[in-house]
Amino acid sequence: GENVEQHPSTLSVQEGDSAVIKCTYSDSASNYFPWYKQELGKRPQLIIDIRSNVGEKKDQRIAVTLNKTAKHFSLHITETQPEDSAVYFCAAAFTGGGNKLTFGTGTQLKVEL
Amino acid sequence: DTGVSQNPRHKITKRGQNVTFRCDPISEHNRLYWYRQTLGQGPEFLTYFQNEAQLEKSRLLSDRFSAERPKGSFSTLEIQRTEQGDSAMYLCAPNRDRVTGELFFGEGSRLTVL
Repeated sequence: GENVEQHPSTLSVQEGDSAVIKCTYSDSASNYFPWYKQELGKRPQLIIDIRSNVGEKKDQRIAVTLNKTAKHFSLHITETQPEDSAVYFCAAAFTGGGNKLTFGTGTQLKVEL
Repeated sequence: DTGVSQNPRHKITKRGQNVTFRCDPISEHNRLYWYRQTLGQGPEFLTYFQNEAQLEKSRLLSDRFSAERPKGSFSTLEIQRTEQGDSAMYLCAPNRDRVTGELFFGEGSRLTVL
């Protein structure tokens, strides 16, 4: 089955700096890679996703990159703000095989003033 | 608006008791997924339905767990003879379009087994 590794487990940045979270996956059949943000006590919320037919996707201050050859994908947050503080999860799935998401272990992002 | 209602939101029970969680999508969704999230971990896939058919179950779903989606709309997840290790957040995610793959989780049902 799929295995997703996520690094770092904790990340502390100053407000206005950039943050990068990296994930690797094991199953070359995976073709869908979403990122979720989870605030304390709340549900995981989908913030951005990328499919295997593109290498990069951007939405305002967040961007995702995908390297299929290396089986790496990353989340980039620019101009971080205190409200970006949360746990971020990457995930991978093969949409033709039940679309079951396998999640990483999460990154606790703290944006300090 | 998450597009799905989960009940109860919180359940505290004693070990050995049975519990049932319900997931009600607001609109029609062909697929419906159940995930479990323990403290400090990412969500883990449990099972999913295509209409009323349960197509796949994770090995995490022991014999004490049963899920149904009788009319292809709402779904229930029952846990029999609860154990402390069952304490977790149980998340439901309807999915209208299996091609896009997007999953939007409900608010979840938090189970605490004493």
